[in-house]
Amino acid sequence: DGGITQSPKYLFRKEGQNVTLSCEQNLNHDAMYWYRQDPGQGLRLIYYSQIVNDFQKGDIAEGYSVSREKKESFPLTVTSAQKNPTAFYLCASSIGQADYEQYFGPGTRLTVT
Amino acid sequence: GDSVTQMEGPVTLSEEAFLTINCTYTATGYPSLFWYVQYPGEGLQLLLKATKADDKGSNKGFEATYRKETTSFHLEKGSVQVSDSAVYFCALSDGYGNKLVFGAGTILRVKS
Repeated sequence: DGGITQSPKYLFRKEGQNVTLSCEQNLNHDAMYWYRQDPGQGLRLIYYSQIVNDFQKGDIAEGYSVSREKKESFPLTVTSAQKNPTAFYLCASSIGQADYEQYFGPGTRLTVT
Repeated sequence: GDSVTQMEGPVTLSEEAFLTINCTYTATGYPSLFWYVQYPGEGLQLLLKATKADDKGSNKGFEATYRKETTSFHLEKGSVQVSDSAVYFCALSDGYGNKLVFGAGTILRVKS
């Protein structure tokens, strides 16, 4: 089955620790995206990548970092510099540019205390 | 910049009622428009899309028409079911094809 895998589904961390969220896709898509979802605010774009070894900041990149060393993988690191990291994080991919359908993973809910 | 505005929820309907969720947008150029649906605890799924003015997207009984003159893309369904209960997001492509801009989402609750 083709799709996007995010792990883990729930993640708990102490304040001041960096944490990396996993995102893997076997759809052979070129583009991948990370979104943050907060209640009542919809989805906000953190980072996106249109090709391996290249990525761009989205609207709320501060306190986050990414890498794209392989086509199928796009991990997101939430650093200690992120002031309010508790949120639901969604990874997505698409064949190419955003006019194409974006396929979403099931999400990771991160809680930082 | 580009933006999407959706009607606030939650919207609560009885089964078999008619559904309308309003969506208006502000964008430069000619964006594509999308409706995504999110069921509880899951990621988003594309419900329908329209790529140019007057296009109608449809899927699973849902419809939306790209209205350039009113910058709108309202979602409609003639008869909702309990299984339609979810959060619905309107979105547009950013004109450069790099990313999607999402509305805040509208919670739909359907009672039996």
